[in-house]
Amino acid sequence: QQQVKQSPQSLIVQKGGISIINCAYENTAFDYFPWYQQFPGKGPALLIAIRPDVSEKKEGRFTISFNKSAKQFSLHIMDSQPGDSATYFCAASPVLRFGNEKLTFGTGTRLTIIP
Amino acid sequence: NAGVTQTPKFQVLKTGQSMTLQCAQDMNHEYMSWYRQDPGMGLRLIHYSVGAGITDQGEVPNGYNVSRSTTEDFPLRLLSAAPSQTSVYFCASRRTVTEAFFGQGTRLTVV
Repeated sequence: QQQVKQSPQSLIVQKGGISIINCAYENTAFDYFPWYQQFPGKGPALLIAIRPDVSEKKEGRFTISFNKSAKQFSLHIMDSQPGDSATYFCAASPVLRFGNEKLTFGTGTRLTIIP
Repeated sequence: NAGVTQTPKFQVLKTGQSMTLQCAQDMNHEYMSWYRQDPGMGLRLIHYSVGAGITDQGEVPNGYNVSRSTTEDFPLRLLSAAPSQTSVYFCASRRTVTEAFFGQGTRLTVV
């Protein structure tokens, strides 16, 4: 049972455009929603994260939009650059209470920015 | 500051062989975990540990063993390698739920 569904699987965006990746979750106990960025041959690295008490978080060109009622969240990359070409993973986790809460990842989106 | 170090980076095994993937972190994180990454499947949790001496199964634990004798090290053992275990393996550590730090990965091929 996939608890975090991510789309699209791949995305091609022109330089300067807006890249949008969507995720949906099922578990209402999820309380922390990070996005990870992975370059070829490297491990994933935290890009930006949000908690459900806010509907939007922005860091530079990267914005997370969160819709608690719809159980959906998305990553927007403004003014997309070739250096943004990578695989992006959304993830979700329950609030840390017992120390064993697990991060559940989406299936990933391969983003390619073309000149 | 090394972060999370995985060895080896690449490995080819024959079916039935055993091996250990090493993972070490120098951030004094209590929580460590192993994931496998396969095309179209994302990152799937194999095993995790919330501290020395404490381990538990994740989503896809079959065929793998772990132990946690120290805070720093969390090795993953393949008991009898199978072609289905061909994958890229990532070790991660975190102190709280707010950020997981990943190693560079081990690309394993079982022939």
